[in-house]
Amino acid sequence: KQEVTQIPAALSVPEGENLVLNCSFTDSAIYNLQWFRQDPGKGLTSLLLIQSSQREQTSGRLNASLDKSSGRSTLYIAASQPGDSATYLCAVNDYKLSFGAGTTVTVRA
Amino acid sequence: GAVVSQHPSRVICKSGTSVKIECRSLDFQATTMFWYRQFPKQSLMLMATSNEGSKATYEQGVEKDKFLINHASLTLSTLTVTSAHPEDSSFYICSAPALVGDEKLFFGSGTQLSVL
Repeated sequence: KQEVTQIPAALSVPEGENLVLNCSFTDSAIYNLQWFRQDPGKGLTSLLLIQSSQREQTSGRLNASLDKSSGRSTLYIAASQPGDSATYLCAVNDYKLSFGAGTTVTVRA
Repeated sequence: GAVVSQHPSRVICKSGTSVKIECRSLDFQATTMFWYRQFPKQSLMLMATSNEGSKATYEQGVEKDKFLINHASLTLSTLTVTSAHPEDSSFYICSAPALVGDEKLFFGSGTQLSVL
């Protein structure tokens, strides 16, 4: 059974600092990995999707890396802003999505 | 982009009553809809997969008679929590791929269910 772990569970940084969010998974036989943003009372927003054959994906200030062999992915958010405050979830797809518990990020103005 | 509309966003009900949650795909046809549940501080867990015109597939440990899923049209899937109990209080969220077999999923806004 796939297990997805996200560390840390919570993170608080001053505005402008770079964010590093970690995700690890136990079974490396995955099709892809996705990072989502979850805002309180709202749905999930897909941020980045990395195919199993890819090493990284970039979108604006976001960069996600994938090391399938070691079962790790990292989401980098450059120059954080208060609007980045949210919970970030990673999910691995091995026929079905398995989610981590998320990292709750607070960016202080 | 594709939009999945989910409602209600929040519902409070008495123990023993049934609650229906609706998810509609607004600008695409969703032949498949995934239903998830999330308890506080825990991961989203897949409950079931509904396919238009056929019976839903439930994950292990999810009671199909308690969580009734109907996917009668290409734009509407419903989850009914029957005879709700306080332990059913959770955040329920649906998602669908915009295209058949597409890996990118679009999510509803979620429903926070509180059973008193």
